[in-house]
Amino acid sequence: DAGITQSPRHKVTETGTPVTLRCHQTENHRYMYWYRQDPGHGLRLIHYSYGVKDTDKGEVSDGYSVSRSKTEDFLLTLESATSSQTSVYFCAIRQGDSRHEQYFGPGTRLTVT
Amino acid sequence: GEDVEQSLFLSVREGDSSVINCTYTDSSSTYLYWYKQEPGAGLQLLTYIFSNMDMKQDQRLTVLLNKKDKHLSLRIADTQTGDSAIYFCAESRSTGGFKTIFGAGTRLFVKA
Repeated sequence: DAGITQSPRHKVTETGTPVTLRCHQTENHRYMYWYRQDPGHGLRLIHYSYGVKDTDKGEVSDGYSVSRSKTEDFLLTLESATSSQTSVYFCAIRQGDSRHEQYFGPGTRLTVT
Repeated sequence: GEDVEQSLFLSVREGDSSVINCTYTDSSSTYLYWYKQEPGAGLQLLTYIFSNMDMKQDQRLTVLLNKKDKHLSLRIADTQTGDSAIYFCAESRSTGGFKTIFGAGTRLFVKA
């Protein structure tokens, strides 16, 4: 257990509404990641962070923004949710520069109607 | 480009060995991983292998790496019903800040 929680765990929202998902970690890890999981695609990287206020885009970043104002929290925002963003979202951490493994949170299932 | 491919399904009988296969395209991969995902849960890191190794064994799990063919396999000995899950192969490169690329996952069914 890498001390990662995600909230909410489930959310249903309407097209066009803003949504923010939260990832919280308790162990001061530098690197944090947001992925989405869709059938047939595995996990795809949305955005990642390499420190407070330091973030970068992943391969599927369109329609998403992130913020990291504290080490422990990494927020993923859908400014105007679309049905194509219906997915399961996972947060992950990497423990430091010399550590390569990623550890995952329990996921958030988001449905956009 | 970078790609990781796996077969989508595997069905075995309880007590048999399971072998899940994966191919990858990035010849500069540094680490290769196997993750397990049970229903409604996140991904759990099962094991990983460094790219200069051929084999790694950890209790019932054996990882084989053929770097020439860019082929990775996970063998589960004495497969149990609790091993039913989705297994993801993944790779990362140290030069890429350990950016990790995942396969689509192999769903393992274990029949009693």
